Amino acid sequence: NAGVTQTPKFQVLKTGQSMTLQCAQDMNHNSMYWYRQDPGMGLRLIYYSASEGTTDKGEVPNGYNVSRLNKREFSLRLESAAPSQTSVYFCASSYRAGGRGNQPQHFGDGTRLSIL
Amino acid sequence: SQQGEEDPQALSIQEGENATMNCSYKTSINNLQWYRQNSGRGLVHLILIRSNEREKHSGRLRVTLDTSKKSSSLLITASRAADTASYFCATDAGGQAGTALIFGKGTTLSVSS
Repeated sequence: NAGVTQTPKFQVLKTGQSMTLQCAQDMNHNSMYWYRQDPGMGLRLIYYSASEGTTDKGEVPNGYNVSRLNKREFSLRLESAAPSQTSVYFCASSYRAGGRGNQPQHFGDGTRLSIL
Repeated sequence: SQQGEEDPQALSIQEGENATMNCSYKTSINNLQWYRQNSGRGLVHLILIRSNEREKHSGRLRVTLDTSKKSSSLLITASRAADTASYFCATDAGGQAGTALIFGKGTTLSVSS
């Protein structure tokens, strides 16, 4: 039972390059999330998908796009990478978001992204 | 902006001691959650307390919630070296249905043997 799997684990890009971070969960969760974690800033929500077919912006969506490919997969794309996007990116999933309160989230181990 | 703020930012204790960390938040909530993050790993859910609950236990963890003060505390009793990690509280974004969690900046706990 893998839980939440993120690929790649590490990546170095040059400014202006594009790339897609992949995330897949095998827990039949409805909701999926992308966060970035920077020193001293905690986790900040980039985008989330409350259910298959829907996506919503979080606190820091600029410079990113997402695709909820199916119930299992939620990808994050950087179209033109900038040094300010150097960070650790975490994908998470939960049974559902909102309603009578957010359910516990399950996290992957992150993608460490450096942009030169 | 952060909904929850943990205090202290860092805490160092000896094995066997208790560790208490606090979380304050700004708006009404449906529930509050605590997570642990070991170095280089993703967050792991520890405990969820609903807005109508005042205290909850899970093993060596005790969480309290005071909605009148908009605050919560996480107590880890009889700490072990393996408890060394960062701890985060998370709340609903403004208590609205259909919104995601907002995490605080975390408390870094170091437990030495």
